[in-house]
Amino acid sequence: DTGVSQNPRHKITKRGQNVTFRCDPISEHNRLYWYRQTLGQGPEFLTYFQNEAQLEKSRLLSDRFSAERPKGSFSTLEIQRTEQGDSAMYLCASSGGIYRARGFRDTEAFFGQGTRLTVV
Amino acid sequence: GIQVEQSPPDLILQEGANSTLRCNFSDSVNNLQWFHQNPWGQLINLFYIPSGTKQNGRLSATTVATERYSLLYISSSQTTDSGVYFCAADGTGGFKTIFGAGTRLFVKA
Repeated sequence: DTGVSQNPRHKITKRGQNVTFRCDPISEHNRLYWYRQTLGQGPEFLTYFQNEAQLEKSRLLSDRFSAERPKGSFSTLEIQRTEQGDSAMYLCASSGGIYRARGFRDTEAFFGQGTRLTVV
Repeated sequence: GIQVEQSPPDLILQEGANSTLRCNFSDSVNNLQWFHQNPWGQLINLFYIPSGTKQNGRLSATTVATERYSLLYISSSQTTDSGVYFCAADGTGGFKTIFGAGTRLFVKA
């Protein structure tokens, strides 16, 4: 396993078009995250999956954004009717979870190389 | 939710100098990680350190969870250390990892 893989690496699209990004996590990881990063800022949380269940969504994720993780493996992030403000780097991360005495704890997260979206 | 603050925001060093980057967090954390983002945008894992001290070559990190801060030490800096360093933490109340705004480091030859 070579780590978290994201495709495509770059995407240029016209305003109003739909785009879809794919993330393949580390195979034994059950948790998957999507983040968005704009120039000069830290990554901002978008959504989180544990296996196939989407457990948390940020208010940043408008109705034009949808994410899926069928069968708890790869995940897709779709943006409908893209706007120029959607231009950003979209990052995917995965981590494992382990049970400890005080409950379930997340383990170290690893990030993919990101998909850089430019909306023109 | 948890808030993460990093300082300083920018740092310029002469090659060979040492530095300390700080990360403060507002609440108890389950996990804390330090990352280095390279010029191509890839986040490279440096340390997974919810508490205690770890060392890896010229880098080391210390998290004092009871006082809600973590420190990243870079010794004998090299030009290849340039980039943005992020601290990221998971609060105890949820699953999402929150990032600080980063420290932008430039090491001059």
